[in-house]
Amino acid sequence: SQKIEQNSEALNIQEGKTATLTCNYTNYSPAYLQWYRQDPGRGPVFLLLIRENEKEKRKERLKVTFDTTLKQSLFHITASQPADSATYLCALGDDKIIFGKGTRLHILP
Amino acid sequence: GAVVSQHPSWVICKSGTSVKIECRSLDFQATTMFWYRQFPKQSLMLMATSNEGSKATYEQGVEKDKFLINHASLTLSTLTVTSAHPEDSSFYICSARDSSGRVTYEQYFGPGTRLTVT
Repeated sequence: SQKIEQNSEALNIQEGKTATLTCNYTNYSPAYLQWYRQDPGRGPVFLLLIRENEKEKRKERLKVTFDTTLKQSLFHITASQPADSATYLCALGDDKIIFGKGTRLHILP
Repeated sequence: GAVVSQHPSWVICKSGTSVKIECRSLDFQATTMFWYRQFPKQSLMLMATSNEGSKATYEQGVEKDKFLINHASLTLSTLTVTSAHPEDSSFYICSARDSSGRVTYEQYFGPGTRLTVT
């Protein structure tokens, strides 16, 4: 069955550094991969979508890569700030998407 | 833009009663909306896909007679949890895709509804 793994349940990063989150998947060849941010007790917020024929996508301090050979996506937040602390969800698919469990990111001041 | 609201934001009900949750797209039309359930520290699990004007499509293991979905207009979908039991207590989140214009796959989520069944 399709499986999505996000590298760690929690990640602590010093303010100002780059945070890198990993998403690996198996038994799936998605045409699209998305990243969402979720704050406690709230619904997810869409951040970025990357297509299988795109290697990299950027939006302000965010960068996403998509390696269909490795079946992996990396999500980077540069110049991280305490306000970036949240859970980040990787999601695969198009019409219907499957979510990973997320990585709780803590940016330490 | 792309705002989705949910009502209520939280609800407590007694076992055996029914609860209705509303999901509205405020500034766009959505022919397709999705209903998810999320348990603490778990991933969002898709329950069903709601299509305007037609029957919802339920994921495997989700009882359609227990979780009634109605997508009566391009901006409103409702989820009714019938004969709720304590194990139905969870965080229910809806999402919508903007169906006006080009095809897009990003989903816009509501703020969620915390259901507690006593």
